[in-house]
Amino acid sequence: AQKVTQAQTEISVVEKEDVTLDCVYETRDTTYYLFWYKQPPSGELVFLIRRNSFDEQNEISGRYSWNFQKSTSSFNFTITASQVVDSAVYFCALSVLGNNNNDMRFGAGTRLTVKP
Amino acid sequence: EPEVTQTPSHQVTQMGQEVILRCVPISNHLYFYWYRQILGQKVEFLVSFYNNEISEKSEIFDDQFSVERPDGSNFTLKIRSTKLEDSAMYFCASRHRGGAGYTFGSGTRLTVV
Repeated sequence: AQKVTQAQTEISVVEKEDVTLDCVYETRDTTYYLFWYKQPPSGELVFLIRRNSFDEQNEISGRYSWNFQKSTSSFNFTITASQVVDSAVYFCALSVLGNNNNDMRFGAGTRLTVKP
Repeated sequence: EPEVTQTPSHQVTQMGQEVILRCVPISNHLYFYWYRQILGQKVEFLVSFYNNEISEKSEIFDDQFSVERPDGSNFTLKIRSTKLEDSAMYFCASRHRGGAGYTFGSGTRLTVV
């Protein structure tokens, strides 16, 4: 069974603070993908990153960085120097390549509010 | 960049009515999905579709739901007799063979009154 846990329901920070959004996943499969999506108030799902289970290198993209640790089954997301435009709900998701379906399972999401 | 297109963006329907949500996946994608997000909650898997048949469905996808790919381009989700609790955002997604990258549509917000 696949499961994604985002324990932080809501986080509120002041602009320019760094913030880390936690994601813990469960799967018995050895080949899988992890994702982060941003959902702004307009409702669409904005793709941020995909990481496969064989690539534990951390990734940085501008103010965004991701820390993938297989040993703790975590795929955490850090926003450096947060901005008001970062306010959104962020979802972590897991997709297993064990079958043709490869359907994606989402965590419950973390609502991030960045105050000016 | 190729997009998954969903129409309408917002639909209001009366309880008990049938609704059809439409999606045009990316043309060379082979796997198609519907997800649902009740307001303020997580995005939940409904159904996956491959080779003109359902390949997996969740417990949410009961007999009131059906999917179809009526022609080579559209992928539809039908709810036969809508209930108030069907009010949600419905996302369509598609994927290429062998690719893990999903492309999501921008969603249809369904409101059942």
